[in-house]
Amino acid sequence: EVQLLDSGGGLRQAGGSLRLSCVASGFNFNTYGMSWVRQAPGRGLEWVSTINANGDTARYAEPVKGRFTMSRDNSRNTLSLLMDSLRAEDTAKYYCAKAPSPTYHFGSGSQAYFDSWGQGTLVTVSS
Amino acid sequence: SHELTQPPSVSVSPGQTATITCSGDDLYKAFACWYQQRPGQSPVLVIYEDTNRPSGSPERFSGSKSGNTATLTISGTQAVDEADYYCQAWDVTTSSFVFGGGTRVTVL
Repeated sequence: EVQLLDSGGGLRQAGGSLRLSCVASGFNFNTYGMSWVRQAPGRGLEWVSTINANGDTARYAEPVKGRFTMSRDNSRNTLSLLMDSLRAEDTAKYYCAKAPSPTYHFGSGSQAYFDSWGQGTLVTVSS
Repeated sequence: SHELTQPPSVSVSPGQTATITCSGDDLYKAFACWYQQRPGQSPVLVIYEDTNRPSGSPERFSGSKSGNTATLTISGTQAVDEADYYCQAWDVTTSSFVFGGGTRVTVL
């Protein structure tokens, strides 16, 4: 059974930093692309970033580009999101999410969805 | 870029059919998928690539797409189906994943 365990959320002041983690189990982590998706309180879902299976390429949504850095440690089945220069609008629950297939590659319109999600971790940024 | 538009809410009586639409100017170019999010829980994939149900998704969930509009249909709606539903697609123009604003399904 696929399990994704998100952690690392908390309260920060604007301009601060925070690192989120996601520990994966139940699948061959090192063969799947992974993503972060966030949800502001009472709002909808918003894609944040995606990293490929070997970790050498990450892509970001425009609102976080240049401030967030996504990485992975395949030896520890762990995904990370380093969030710098935090803003009040970054306040949200952050979910890690798994690509549906090892053959998915970023930029393809095929298999462009998330088949498993973590439980989420809440980030609150005070202004 | 393309935005995906969903109705904010849909109400349905138990046992009846709920229909949720998702419209986008470029949706004809992309596959659509649907997630269910119950209150306080994480999203769960219920339909992928327009019409496919993942294992574990009940048969009463079905998807379709015509032109720029994707549709999620819940047949024989049950109380447990009360949730928010989000469509999602790939935006070729901006190379990003895009979500609809979500539709709250209320089972009266």
